[in-house]
Amino acid sequence: ETGVTQSPTHLIKTRGQQVTLRCSSQSGHNTVSWYQQALGQGPQFIFQYYREEENGRGNFPPRFSGLQFPNYSSELNVNALELDDSALYLCASSSKASGRNQETQYFGPGTRLLVL
Amino acid sequence: DQQVKQNSPSLSVQEGRISILNCDYTNSMFDYFLWYKKYPAEGPTFLISISSIKDKNEDGRFTVFLNKSAKHLSLHIVPSQPGDSAVYFCAASAIRGGNNDMRFGAGTRLTVKP
Repeated sequence: ETGVTQSPTHLIKTRGQQVTLRCSSQSGHNTVSWYQQALGQGPQFIFQYYREEENGRGNFPPRFSGLQFPNYSSELNVNALELDDSALYLCASSSKASGRNQETQYFGPGTRLLVL
Repeated sequence: DQQVKQNSPSLSVQEGRISILNCDYTNSMFDYFLWYKKYPAEGPTFLISISSIKDKNEDGRFTVFLNKSAKHLSLHIVPSQPGDSAVYFCAASAIRGGNNDMRFGAGTRLTVKP
């Protein structure tokens, strides 16, 4: 069974730039959720993708956007980067059937983004 | 608004003793609760979960207890081992409500001393 993978592992950007983070879901999973984890805090939900559409969103501005592809992999895009966007970005995959969530999400190792 | 709270940022226990990690929540719509363990430079690893229809779930050395009336859950690890040293996150979601987001606490750093 292939676990959740994310790329890149680390990234340094400057304020105002744009960034794309990638995630491959665990084998058999069709749903991807993205989280932001700032230092000393728990992960915060950004959004979830199911069947290539956004399926729930947390309290993040529109400059945070995403995509899900037919193979269930996903991208997180952040435009106009701000210093406070520096964080660990986590992707989690799960399985949804008949519109009902599978309860458990499995996380990738994360991408650490530093905005200077 | 912090709907899931872990009030103890750190906990230190001796190897072989019991570790008890606590978590409180405020949203009565939460119906599924999870514990994740996180090592440095890794993503959170799923540990154990419990549905709101139960008050206890056990998996080897790990037991999660849920007290719905108090909106409180706890994770017991017994016996604790040095390899259990990590940051533990409590998470909650409202599955039946169709809510897709999981809310996390800020984490508790557990140190198990040999």
